[in-house]
Amino acid sequence: AQSVTQLDSQVPVFEEAPVELRCNYSSSVSVYLFWYVQYPNQGLQLLLKYLSGSTLVKGINGFEAEFNKSQTSFHLRKPSVHISDTAEYFCAVTTFFGNEKLTFGTGTRLTIIP
Amino acid sequence: KAGVTQTPRYLIKTRGQQVTLSCSPISGHRSVSWYQQTPGQGLQFLFEYFSETQRNKGNFPGRFSGRQFSNSRSEMNVSTLELGDSALYLCASYPSTGGHEQFFGPGTRLTVL
Repeated sequence: AQSVTQLDSQVPVFEEAPVELRCNYSSSVSVYLFWYVQYPNQGLQLLLKYLSGSTLVKGINGFEAEFNKSQTSFHLRKPSVHISDTAEYFCAVTTFFGNEKLTFGTGTRLTIIP
Repeated sequence: KAGVTQTPRYLIKTRGQQVTLSCSPISGHRSVSWYQQTPGQGLQFLFEYFSETQRNKGNFPGRFSGRQFSNSRSEMNVSTLELGDSALYLCASYPSTGGHEQFFGPGTRLTVL
């Protein structure tokens, strides 16, 4: 079975400052990794995904993430945040083996301070 | 393309009742998954369906059930509702192969009184 740990439940950041949201995973088999964002009263929207290839993945809204297999991490970064980035961010994993069940972390609430 | 739609968006029920939630996937998507989101437990996987067959099931009691129709639309049912069933229920659809991106609907907010 796999698991995901998001160490920071809340991250306050000043507008235009950089941010990093941390995600670590545990799995005995190879995984696919995802970051989703959830705005208030909405469903989840995919920011980016790592399936294979380059370990630096670029997503929507200026976000990027780096897959580090040795540290089993997939941290999300943005060089300059905006008020509109205020949301909850979820890291998720799924395995290669024919089912699409996503295992989510507990989420990180990103608050942008004007 | 229209996105994933879920109906109803909001629902209030009392303990002991049953409820049925509906999910219409993106056109052409044959797979649907359901998730429960609560403040205490976070996002938890309920079921996965592909071509009318349940392919995977999460760790939920038998009161939670689901099905998928030939047009890929899916329903989930919760019988004998408990207060702890209050949650946002999210449906996701995806193509049968490749990509592994799941497209989520806006969810159904269920409140059990």
